[in-house]
Amino acid sequence: EPEVTQTPSHQVTQMGQEVILRCVPISNHLYFYWYRQILGQKVEFLVSFYNNEISEKSEIFDDQFSVERPDGSNFTLKIRSTKLEDSAMYFCASRKSLLSEKLFFGSGTQLSVL
Amino acid sequence: GIQVEQSPPDLILQEGANSTLRCNFSDSVNNLQWFHQNPWGQLINLFYIPSGTKQNGRLSATTVATERYSLLYISSSQTTDSGVYFCAVRDRSGTASKLTFGTGTRLQVTL
Repeated sequence: EPEVTQTPSHQVTQMGQEVILRCVPISNHLYFYWYRQILGQKVEFLVSFYNNEISEKSEIFDDQFSVERPDGSNFTLKIRSTKLEDSAMYFCASRKSLLSEKLFFGSGTQLSVL
Repeated sequence: GIQVEQSPPDLILQEGANSTLRCNFSDSVNNLQWFHQNPWGQLINLFYIPSGTKQNGRLSATTVATERYSLLYISSSQTTDSGVYFCAVRDRSGTASKLTFGTGTRLQVTL
């Protein structure tokens, strides 16, 4: 069964450093998302992406965050200058089409900012 | 924004027992999904169920959209059912993107 793939599974970085989290969505999906989950808390929406542009973003997704689909398969989340409070599990998700509501998640990248 | 509350927050079951998890939401929705987060953190989609009832093996879900709640039934629970169960919704006034997740129910199934 096709799945969303995320790399790396764990990332440790120093405060102030840039990180790039990578995702390969399911190949025929058109809508892409990033969510995050701070330890012990609920899953929070960050951003959605469709047709090579951001379609919606949350208050969390400030100027330090950016997303890109550099080629036909990868979808990346960049944090320019990481803060301690960015430590969380970051999930990529994809959805096939506007009519297909079911969301498929990757296994996540655990980001630790020291 | 829409509020999503789940109950109970924590649940401990013996293997073989049945359980019902509840999801209440504060506004009309046109998309409701149930997810299982396993002990390794992976989020697995169990059901897309904006209304009505669906069954998949030992799991079934019912959403009563007019009364703003959904129920997830787990029958004959197994230790592999352990983890956190989330419901997530998109409200009718929302854009075609964002799901709002509930607070989760942490389930532990013991031998």
